[in-house]
Amino acid sequence: AQRVTQPEKLLSVFKGAPVELKCNYSYSGSPELFWYVQYSRQRLQLLLRHISRESIKGFTADLNKGETSFHLKKPFAQEEDSAMYYCARGETGGGNKLTFGTGTQLKVEL
Amino acid sequence: GAVVSQHPSRVICKSGTSVKIECRSLDFQATTMFWYRQFPKKSLMLMATSNEGSKATYEQGVEKDKFLINHASLTLSTLTVTSAHPEDSSFYICSASSPAAFYNEQFFGPGTRLTVL
Repeated sequence: AQRVTQPEKLLSVFKGAPVELKCNYSYSGSPELFWYVQYSRQRLQLLLRHISRESIKGFTADLNKGETSFHLKKPFAQEEDSAMYYCARGETGGGNKLTFGTGTQLKVEL
Repeated sequence: GAVVSQHPSRVICKSGTSVKIECRSLDFQATTMFWYRQFPKKSLMLMATSNEGSKATYEQGVEKDKFLINHASLTLSTLTVTSAHPEDSSFYICSASSPAAFYNEQFFGPGTRLTVL
């Protein structure tokens, strides 16, 4: 079974500080990695996906196959970044099925 | 675009009764819908994958007779919790995907809070 590990349940940083949310995945085949975000009282929504190599709201994530990691980074945290972040992996072979990590609560303090 | 709704948003029922939760894709046709269960301060646990017109595929450990899933149309899937018990109390979330979705993207509903007394 695929596994996604997010070692930190809570990450607290000050506004303006760099942020790194860690994510590691179990190796097999060609993974499809995503970051989803859930703001307070809102639904889960896609933040970014590795295949697009995009930067959304200042966040980036690089797939490191050697370390089987897909850490989420932002150079300067903003208060509105406070949310729950989930790393997810698409099933090898398609089928649109996702395996989620346990999530990391990011708290940006003033 | 790509909006998914759930109804009801919150439901309280007595132990032993059945509860139906609806998941609708409002502006796209969802060939696949997923049902998750989210425990407090924990991750989403995939319960089952529902494909339009066919039987749902349940994850290991999920009782298919307890959690009945029907995906009768391309815009509607329902989850029925049969003979609910207090341990079924949880936050249930659905998501939807379609062939047009870019690379496995799922669109999530707002969730349904079920409380079984």
